[in-house]
Amino acid sequence: AQRVTQPEKLLSVFKGAPVELKCNYSYSGSPELFWYVQYSRQRLQLLLRHISRESIKGFTADLNKGETSFHLKKPFAQEEDSAMYYCALSVGGSQGNLIFGKGTKLSVKP
Amino acid sequence: GAVVSQHPSRVICKSGTSVKIECRSLDFQATTMFWYRQFPKKSLMLMATSNEGSKATYEQGVEKDKFLINHASLTLSTLTVTSAHPEDSSFYICSAPGIYNEQFFGPGTRLTVL
Repeated sequence: AQRVTQPEKLLSVFKGAPVELKCNYSYSGSPELFWYVQYSRQRLQLLLRHISRESIKGFTADLNKGETSFHLKKPFAQEEDSAMYYCALSVGGSQGNLIFGKGTKLSVKP
Repeated sequence: GAVVSQHPSRVICKSGTSVKIECRSLDFQATTMFWYRQFPKKSLMLMATSNEGSKATYEQGVEKDKFLINHASLTLSTLTVTSAHPEDSSFYICSAPGIYNEQFFGPGTRLTVL
């Protein structure tokens, strides 16, 4: 079954601390994974995708097929990083829909 | 970047009435759009895939007669909640795919059925 698991509902860290938001997936095909972020009162927006191997706002995520994971990391959290983070798996071909994890609320305290 | 709009942003209606929500891709064309439902403090649940010029594809457990989807043009998809009831109250979000399989999301529509 296709599934995305984000085990932490809430992650609270202090400013400057490292952050790791966990994401595991279950998919028999070749996965396309994304991280989306939703800041307070804003729409859901793409943060990064595994295929581009980019760093956005200091965040990186590496696809580990052996562990079926796509954890999101940032070495030094900032207060403006506080938001809901959703890991998502794309299925269904070239314009496939997304399967979302339940999301993790990141709270960065001053 | 690509922009997706939704209208209205908020709607309150009486039980038994129908409500139409529009989703537009403003600066790009979308042959496919997706409709999601988000419950409070929950993740997004895919309801259906809207296909321009053909019937929508509904996810298991979603009533197609309840949630009518029409993808009339390459920039517009509409979701009509028919005979709405309080349990239909939710946050409805649409998205359209980009060229790298990412999704561009609308701001969402908050539906409250009294």
